[in-house]
Amino acid sequence: EVQLVESGGGLVQPGGSLRLSCAASGFTFSNYDMHWIRQATGQGLEWVSAIGESGKTYFSGSVKGRFTISRENVKNSFYLQMNSLTAGDTAVYYCAREGYDEAFDIWGQGTLVTVSS
Amino acid sequence: QSALTQPASVSGSPGQSITISCTGTNNDVGSYKFVSWYQQHPGKAPKLMIYEVSKRPSGVSDRFSGSKSGNTASLTISGLQVEDEADYYCCSLGGSATVDLFGGGTKLTVL
Repeated sequence: EVQLVESGGGLVQPGGSLRLSCAASGFTFSNYDMHWIRQATGQGLEWVSAIGESGKTYFSGSVKGRFTISRENVKNSFYLQMNSLTAGDTAVYYCAREGYDEAFDIWGQGTLVTVSS
Repeated sequence: QSALTQPASVSGSPGQSITISCTGTNNDVGSYKFVSWYQQHPGKAPKLMIYEVSKRPSGVSDRFSGSKSGNTASLTISGLQVEDEADYYCCSLGGSATVDLFGGGTKLTVL
């Protein structure tokens, strides 16, 4: 079964850091660009970051300079390192596969990140 | 980069057709064929319904169709069914092809 499973969410204080992981299964992970997309409670979707097959990375303006993205093809996983977190980063974070050009065909179940003192 | 603009809500009766618009700019929707649409039911992850403006992934009903004119993309759902009631989001490549932008979402109510 094609699947993505996020982990690493939780409660963190403002200014703190957190690392999210996304484990892929059921497909050749190394062949796909992968993305992180977040959704604050009751709000819309917000694209966060992407990493290409080649390892090239992309970030939204709201997280650039604070977040990094990486992948480990041997582990079929990719990661989002989040630093200098603020309340505005509180959201459910989804990992997603870009199965078609710039379209996300497989999504994880989401992991909740709460930034609060 | 600003989010794409969608109506906050639309409604229709079973069997009717509705259209949800998604307005961007010359720098995103107007410049690329990479517009996609997602359906999200409460508490669930989004589901891809349309990619590359008008293409349907395998398994998505042909009641769902997409189009684009200038800076505005549209999702049409024909033969509305109760289970179509959900939030719908558009997404486009933007920012000199370096970022993806989502619309604010549209809540579809099937009366």
